[in-house]
Amino acid sequence: DTGVSQDPRHKITKRGQNVTFRCDPISEHNRLYWYRQTLGQGPEFLTYFQNEAQLEKSRLLSDRFSAERPKGSFSTLEIQRTEQGDSAMYLCASSFRGAVGYNEQFFGPGTRLTVL
Amino acid sequence: DAKTTQPPSMDCAEGRAANLPCNHSTISGNEYVYWYRQIHSQGPQYIIHGLKNNETNEMASLIITEDRKSSTLILPHATLRDTAVYYCIVFSGGSNYKLTFGKGTLLTVNP
Repeated sequence: DTGVSQDPRHKITKRGQNVTFRCDPISEHNRLYWYRQTLGQGPEFLTYFQNEAQLEKSRLLSDRFSAERPKGSFSTLEIQRTEQGDSAMYLCASSFRGAVGYNEQFFGPGTRLTVL
Repeated sequence: DAKTTQPPSMDCAEGRAANLPCNHSTISGNEYVYWYRQIHSQGPQYIIHGLKNNETNEMASLIITEDRKSSTLILPHATLRDTAVYYCIVFSGGSNYKLTFGKGTLLTVNP
């Protein structure tokens, strides 16, 4: 399967611990996105990379959150000093640069984080 | 990006057409209408998009009104596997590529 993959699929942690999630995009895609989704809500944008450059960060991404995409390939999202409010599904998506207005993003299955 | 309004839920009988409405009355001329869906416990999936003209692909048809203030996603022969939350998104197509999801419409296809 050559889709977007995310690891782990589920993570349970205690409040105050650090967690790191990984996303492997579709290989030829140069854009990578992170979203967060809480129960009953649509996904909310967190951050966006074009190749290795992080071009936009939502104000939802507090100082405890950091994302990287070294060499423009896989990406990691780290949450430091987790809080119960961080419990959510973290979704990664990727896309390639197409025609103007083209924005088909391919989503991974998500990482479900539970902070106890 | 313009705001969208969708009904929170709809039902459809299996084999019938599902027509999902979306209002986007503040859409501007360079904004596209995108539809994604999210089946339970999966990531969202792209369905279709359009600017002015009606569009059709293997999954669905998109009908955009002439004034572009509303649109309808049509699933011509709904199956049980089409049960999902459907999101209508207006996207400007500029340098900002983030998608702004609302709460969407939960479509339940009944046998």
